[in-house]
Amino acid sequence: GENVEQHPSTLSVQEGDSAVIKCTYSDSASNYFPWYKQELGKRPQLIIDIRSNVGEKKDQRIAVTLNKTAKHFSLHITETQPEDSAVYFCAASRRDSSYKLIFGSGTRLLVRP
Amino acid sequence: SQTIHQWPATLVQPVGSPLSLECTVEGTSNPNLYWYRQAAGRGLQLLFYSVGIGQISSEVPQNLSASRPQDRQFILSSKKLLLSDSGFYLCAWSLGGVRYEQYFGPGTRLTVT
Repeated sequence: GENVEQHPSTLSVQEGDSAVIKCTYSDSASNYFPWYKQELGKRPQLIIDIRSNVGEKKDQRIAVTLNKTAKHFSLHITETQPEDSAVYFCAASRRDSSYKLIFGSGTRLLVRP
Repeated sequence: SQTIHQWPATLVQPVGSPLSLECTVEGTSNPNLYWYRQAAGRGLQLLFYSVGIGQISSEVPQNLSASRPQDRQFILSSKKLLLSDSGFYLCAWSLGGVRYEQYFGPGTRLTVT
């Protein structure tokens, strides 16, 4: 069945360094890849997404890259700040009537001041 | 703009008691609606989704059920709660069509004692 694997499960970086989180998907029909940030006790918030017809997308300090051939995509955060500390989830979706998302298991990012 | 509401925000229920959680969306029509559960420190598990009134798809066999009595209302129910039903229940919506983005409600934190 559909599966999304996410690595690493935890990531600790020094403030100002970059952080990279990687995901691999199994369904070759997947064509939409969002990333969510979830702070403790809060709802997941959509921070960036990419569609299969694009290889890279950037929004200020965050960027996402997609390699369709290898079926993996990554989140890049540059110049990390303490407020970037949260759990990050990747997801994948195929274009069918449900638009349901298959989520990765999450990465806990800690940015040390 | 669209807004999603969930209630109650928190709930403590004894084992064997019934459950009803409600989700409503404002500012859009015919949204796709989703129920997720998140166990403490874990990922997001899709429970049900609905692409229209009265149309419910179940992703995971369990003692929960869902209903969509109105276009923008989604209800999660149980006749008898189990300890394992404890968690953070999140409702989400998406527009469908060419819009894949999925947005989460504030969630209901359920503790079964």
